[in-house]
Amino acid sequence: QITLKESGPTLVKPTQTLTLTCTFSGFSLSTSGVGVGWIRQPPGKALEWLGIIYWDDDKRYSPSLKTRLTITKDTSKKQVVFTMTSLDPVDTATYYCAHQYGGHMDVWGQGTTVTVSS
Amino acid sequence: DIQMTQSPSSLSASVGDRVTITCRASQGISKYLAWFQQKPGKAPKSLIYAASSLQSGVPSKFSGSGSGTDFTLTISSLQPEDFATYYCQQYNSYPRTFGQGTKLEIK
Repeated sequence: QITLKESGPTLVKPTQTLTLTCTFSGFSLSTSGVGVGWIRQPPGKALEWLGIIYWDDDKRYSPSLKTRLTITKDTSKKQVVFTMTSLDPVDTATYYCAHQYGGHMDVWGQGTTVTVSS
Repeated sequence: DIQMTQSPSSLSASVGDRVTITCRASQGISKYLAWFQQKPGKAPKSLIYAASSLQSGVPSKFSGSGSGTDFTLTISSLQPEDFATYYCQQYNSYPRTFGQGTKLEIK
């Protein structure tokens, strides 16, 4: 059974850096074709795709956020780390990580809510 | 970026009804389309991938169709637990993009 869980701070000050960890089980991020993606959802708004890291360390980012995002993996720890710099109140959202195989995200974490406020 | 447009944005229906939600891509995406269901305060749940393939464990009352730019999600015999927000997402190219969502409400 595949599970993922996001963890990190719930409150971040403007201009600071957000670091979230996705801890997963039930799959290996060294298996060909597997990826872990990140998605966010501002309160009351739609889902927004942020980026993904693949088993071979290939990474893709949203062009609009690319300069602020970094995704890394620790295969042995079964963790993926998401970093976003220069936080602004508009980055307030629930952040999700999700397992991807065959291109689509089939299992999602429960999400973690991040508020950006001074 | 490929724009995904869902219609309607909201929909009222009754228990037992059959409903259809439409998703249109701004350019062709072959069959690389997924549908998700999201209930308030919960993570999205995968329903359909590759436009028409049912995710494991999802009841057959959910069905998807389409290819290219036009896609539909049909839910038959609505039950109270089906009232939620539904999103389409293309995974033909980067960045992946979602529709704006369709909120299905009880009439």
